Amino acid sequence: KAGVTQTPRYLIKTRGQQVTLSCSPISGHRSVSWYQQTPGQGLQFLFEYFSETQRNKGNFPGRFSGRQFSNSRSEMNVSTLELGDSALYLCASSPTQNEQFFGPGTRLTVL
Amino acid sequence: DAKTTQPNSMESNEEEPVHLPCNHSTISGTDYIHWYRQLPSQGPEYVIHGLTSNVNNRMASLAIAEDRKSSTLILHRATLRDAAVYYCILANAGNMLTFGGGTRLMVKP
Repeated sequence: KAGVTQTPRYLIKTRGQQVTLSCSPISGHRSVSWYQQTPGQGLQFLFEYFSETQRNKGNFPGRFSGRQFSNSRSEMNVSTLELGDSALYLCASSPTQNEQFFGPGTRLTVL
Repeated sequence: DAKTTQPNSMESNEEEPVHLPCNHSTISGTDYIHWYRQLPSQGPEYVIHGLTSNVNNRMASLAIAEDRKSSTLILHRATLRDAAVYYCILANAGNMLTFGGGTRLMVKP
């Protein structure tokens, strides 16, 4: 089976812009979660989608949003980018509630 | 959320066993103990998880204390490829993982 894929792998944006990141889960996985990783805060949970519905949400401002499509692919969007949004954004898919498979991440740099 | 405490770093020699400790004194009865690891420049990788009993899989073993307030991840023979940050995580139902600082494992040849 192909693993979790994320596009793009690298992205450079400027403050105030918005960005959309994409995640394709492993075939058959219906749960997709998003995480942000920064050197200062470590790995932090953003949100989880299951069957097109947001099931869990972390403690991030409303500028961070996501959605899931009927084929389980997911996108996350960050609006009005700030310098502090520079991070590695990781997507993980799961067939159950016990094991998550992470993608390689999208590295976002905000200038 | 219940928290975990892990040493910041540990060293091991190649081909020797490694015991990575984790304290979780505030664990609740429904919290599962998960271990993930993150190799340099990669996303985290699932290692093992358990609830009450010790668990074994092809990657590692998980030893859980009887009172569940601590656990130990055991790598039976460390290789250079096992050098990574190892995260001990408590998770209730759902896929919301709360990562702590983890333990950076260094493996010496």
